[in-house]
Amino acid sequence: GAGVSQSPRYKVTKRGQDVALRCDPISGHVSLYWYRQALGQGPEFLTYFNYEAQQDKSGLPNDRFSAERPEGSISTLTIQRTEQRDSAMYRCASSYGQVMGETQYFGPGTRLLVL
Amino acid sequence: AQSVTQLDSHVSVSEGTPVLLRCNYSSSYSPSLFWYVQHPNKGLQLLLKYTSAATLVKGINGFEAEFKKSETSFHLTKPSAHMSDAAEYFCVVSPPSPGMRFGAGTRLTVKP
Repeated sequence: GAGVSQSPRYKVTKRGQDVALRCDPISGHVSLYWYRQALGQGPEFLTYFNYEAQQDKSGLPNDRFSAERPEGSISTLTIQRTEQRDSAMYRCASSYGQVMGETQYFGPGTRLLVL
Repeated sequence: AQSVTQLDSHVSVSEGTPVLLRCNYSSSYSPSLFWYVQHPNKGLQLLLKYTSAATLVKGINGFEAEFKKSETSFHLTKPSAHMSDAAEYFCVVSPPSPGMRFGAGTRLTVKP
C-alpha cells in the first residue's frame, strides 16, 4: 500500500476485555515496530519484528501484551485483560531493512480507551 | 544508553519569525538522529535525518538541523515560521537496537 495502515483507528473497551490491534506495513518492508504513546509524551518502543521473527520484545510492559506477525507482513498487537492504564495511542512503524538508523514510517495509530 | 532531551516542552513564535527547537542527545555510539513532526490527528511524519554524512541536514518544509558533536546537540531551525508549522515535534535517536528513542516532544504554536 501507499503507507502504513492501522485498524481500528479508535477502540473503546471495558476493563478486563481483550483487544487486538492490527498493523499493515508498507509493502516490501522487512521490519515492523510497535510503539505506545501516552498523552503528552513521546512514543515508547514495545517490540520489533524482522520478517515473521520477533527479534526484540523488551519494551512490552508485562505478559498481558503480545504481538505476532505470522506471515511476515500484517502484525497484530494483543492486550489481554485490559486495564485503564493501557489507555494510550498505539503506533506501528515499518522500515525497508534492519540497518541501524534506517528511517521508520509510521501509521496513523490506534487510540485505545479502556473504561 | 541512548536518549534525547528536548529542552522546551512548548515554544511559541509569531508567523514570519525564526523557529528554534532544541534537542540534546546522549549516545555511546555515533548516533543516527531524526526529527519527526506530528500534526493533530495525524501520524508521525519524518522531517529530516542525520546519519553522519553532513552535519547540516536539510529537511522538508524549510526545516534544517545541525549536528554538533561537541555540544551533543541536534537543534531544529526554520528561518520563518508559517501557521501550518504548528504541531508537535519529536527529536529521536536510533540506538544499535532496533527501537527508536523519542524525546518528550515540543509543541510549537505559531501566532498570527
